[in-house]
Amino acid sequence: RKEVEQDPGPFNVPEGATVAFNCTYSNSASQSFFWYRQDCRKEPKLLMSVYSSGNEDGRFTAQLNRASQYISLLIRDSKLSDSATYLCVVNGAGGSYIPTFGRGTSLIVHP
Amino acid sequence: DAMVIQNPRYQVTQFGKPVTLSCSQTLNHNVMYWYQQKSSQAPKLLFHYYDKDFNNEADTPDNFQSRRPNTSFCFLDIRSPGLGDAAMYLCATSRDGQGFYEQYFGPGTRLTVT
Repeated sequence: RKEVEQDPGPFNVPEGATVAFNCTYSNSASQSFFWYRQDCRKEPKLLMSVYSSGNEDGRFTAQLNRASQYISLLIRDSKLSDSATYLCVVNGAGGSYIPTFGRGTSLIVHP
Repeated sequence: DAMVIQNPRYQVTQFGKPVTLSCSQTLNHNVMYWYQQKSSQAPKLLFHYYDKDFNNEADTPDNFQSRRPNTSFCFLDIRSPGLGDAAMYLCATSRDGQGFYEQYFGPGTRLTVT
């Protein structure tokens, strides 16, 4: 089993839709969790840290479920500009503090 | 603005000709990372430094070397690039070595091998 797993998609949604991605991790001792956004041929950029209590930033909501070992990202009212790859990153997934990346989920928002 | 800078942004090298990629940071972060990313794949960690303490990933080829002469700078040396080394090389930093903090990425160097 991979340490961090994501559905690669693509998720193809119309503007205004709500879309959710999940990311599972294998090490229950994992320490911290993040969602990054990566546009084509660009570097990853931090979208949100994921806290145990869940957190929201505008149209984006991130949640952590430690019991089931997954994190989620919910995007409401999707915009064309949300089209990107969303990378899940888990620190400590491999048993050390090193960040482990999921392979990313591709989102395409169409008019 | 504090940031992570990579040079050059685009590098073309010939098969077997050594190349050096550079990364600098003004964030004063302890940890620096080098990643290789190929199309439609997740970034793959090559090395990381916690201060001057060097850590090599087990599956990083010997063809790849790294240097961190001071807190601000880090270099990736590819001794004999092959066609399979064509990729985006990303440098990242983070505040600590305990895994609690996010990473900040440079814009990457896109390497082409001819």
